[in-house]
Amino acid sequence: QQPVQSPQAVILREGEDAVINCSSSKALYSVHWYRQKHGEAPVFLMILLKGGEQKGHEKISASFNEKKQQSSLYLTASQLSYSGTYFCGTVLIKAAGNKLTFGGGTRVLVKP
Amino acid sequence: NAGVTQTPKFQVLKTGQSMTLQCAQDMNHNSMYWYRQDPGMGLRLIYYSASEGTTDKGEVPNGYNVSRLNKREFSLRLESAAPSQTSVYFCASSGPELNTGELFFGEGSRLTVL
Repeated sequence: QQPVQSPQAVILREGEDAVINCSSSKALYSVHWYRQKHGEAPVFLMILLKGGEQKGHEKISASFNEKKQQSSLYLTASQLSYSGTYFCGTVLIKAAGNKLTFGGGTRVLVKP
Repeated sequence: NAGVTQTPKFQVLKTGQSMTLQCAQDMNHNSMYWYRQDPGMGLRLIYYSASEGTTDKGEVPNGYNVSRLNKREFSLRLESAAPSQTSVYFCASSGPELNTGELFFGEGSRLTVL
């Protein structure tokens, strides 16, 4: 079951902040965040694990609320290089094997 | 270190033709995946293989078959291509455990079915 992302798109000025949300209707074991530039493959940003462990990117942070089955990605003091489409991917607690399912994506455009 | 390599990068097919997309990884990863991405859309999981010798259906498996040939290689076959299968196909791998490591993607294979 695909996670739901919001908003679908956001436009920022350089230096502004934004939050991207990802929610699931089922209990999550982990949440992954990826960024994709136009015409390129997605690139890993971070993983958030059940229990609070987090691995990821220096300048982009995220949170994982296990009870609400939600994750949020925080783009702080955005840079032009932050532009792209952000995808959250989820692994369900009762998922078979290593099934990672992605949301529909959030398009981010950072303007000078 | 090549990472994840997909071939071909571009392919045009006629409706009803068959083809196989090849994927190989050199990172000794256990898990491999095939996703499709339609224009302006997210990534949808077609099939995945948690380990050598196993394959499982993802969200959109109809019209596709896969083979985990060995630990390195995971191929995707379209037996009778349809215009609805026009898409960009990404192969990815992870290991040893998905939840402790990132997914590495290939560059993508752009398929057009006329």
